[in-house]
Amino acid sequence: AQSVTQPDIHITVSEGASLELRCNYSYGATPYLFWYVQSPGQGLQLLLKYFSGDTLVQGIKGFEAEFKRSQSSFNLRKPSVHWSDAAEYFCAVGYLSYNTDKLIFGTGTRLQVFP
Amino acid sequence: DVKVTQSSRYLVKRTGEKVFLECVQDMDHENMFWYRQDPGLGLRLIYFSYDVKMKEKGDIPEGYSVSREKKERFSLILESASTNQTSMYLCASSKIIGPSTYEQYFGPGTRLTVT
Repeated sequence: AQSVTQPDIHITVSEGASLELRCNYSYGATPYLFWYVQSPGQGLQLLLKYFSGDTLVQGIKGFEAEFKRSQSSFNLRKPSVHWSDAAEYFCAVGYLSYNTDKLIFGTGTRLQVFP
Repeated sequence: DVKVTQSSRYLVKRTGEKVFLECVQDMDHENMFWYRQDPGLGLRLIYFSYDVKMKEKGDIPEGYSVSREKKERFSLILESASTNQTSMYLCASSKIIGPSTYEQYFGPGTRLTVT
């Protein structure tokens, strides 16, 4: 069965520091992978997505993620974190079924940023 | 921009009440989804719909039903609300353009409290 693991429930970083959020997936075929961000009290916003091609994907707000098939991972990175990046981040694996797309989400990582 | 709106941001209902959560999207998307979000559990799919009057159960449909009479509107119904349905409810919509071109767009969420 498809599944997504985000091993870090809560991460704290200083503003300006680099960031890496971990995501591991389990899926039999080539996965479609997504990172979403949820600011407090808001819905989810797509940061980036991977379907095929270049394994390093650039997203919005200066984020990037690298797909590593050998490690079943899709980690999210940012070289310098801003205070406004404090939010909850969700990794998801997607697939097509019943004429629609489906997403399986991880449990999320809450990012706290100190000045 | 794609816009997904939900009828209420906050809702308080009593045990046993019938509850309607409404979702509207303005981008002519075929697919619509209802998720439930709980701390430590991420997002879990309740129901989805890939066409008007078509609906399919997701991973946790018990205690819920849905209605899709118009393409732009997808309603989640709690026939008899219970305290364990206190949660954040997120609606999403998507359109599959090709095998590698889709994403789900999320509404702001409805935080439902059942007392």
